[in-house]
Amino acid sequence: AQSVAQPEDQVNVAEGNPLTVKCTYSVSGNPYLFWYVQYPNRGLQFLLKYITGDNLVKGSYGFEAEFNKSQTSFHLKKPSALVSDSALYFCALTGANNLFFGTGTRLTVIP
Amino acid sequence: DSGVTQTPKHLITATGQRVTLRCSPRSGDLSVYWYQQSLDQGLQFLIQYYNGEERAKGNILERFSAQQFPDLHSELNLSSLELGDSALYFCASSLTGSGNTIYFGEGSWLTVV
Repeated sequence: AQSVAQPEDQVNVAEGNPLTVKCTYSVSGNPYLFWYVQYPNRGLQFLLKYITGDNLVKGSYGFEAEFNKSQTSFHLKKPSALVSDSALYFCALTGANNLFFGTGTRLTVIP
Repeated sequence: DSGVTQTPKHLITATGQRVTLRCSPRSGDLSVYWYQQSLDQGLQFLIQYYNGEERAKGNILERFSAQQFPDLHSELNLSSLELGDSALYFCASSLTGSGNTIYFGEGSWLTVV
């Protein structure tokens, strides 16, 4: 069975510090992994995806994610957090016909 | 702007009623997905259509139904509404299926009173 886990409901980071939002997955075969961000009262915005190739994927707004097959992880990272990065972040794994989402991690960047 | 358009943005209706949510996918996308987001259930996949045909079914209640029309827009019908159906309903679209990026609309807020 395919599944995605986001072990942290909440992550707090000071502005200017690096941030990491964790995601682990379980799938048979090669995974297609995604990160989405949701700002208050808005839809989900696509940040980046891993299909194949380079394990470090660069996405929108300065975010990147590192795919680690041995640890079955796909952590989202940013070198320097902004207050405007505060939002709800979802990791997702594509199945045959849809996306399986994690439960989300609320990121708060403290000025 | 993702290019996925959903209407209405907000609606309030009474228990037992029926509502229809509408979605226009991004230009060129053949797949349409419906998701429900609620505080206690998170993001739940409801159903997917591809080029007019149902392709995958998730946690969709029997009181709910959907269809995709020849012009590729989609409608989600919710009937015999209950208080617990209050949620944010997202439509999303992608070019085809697995591996393609799925783009989400802004959602339709449904409040059942």
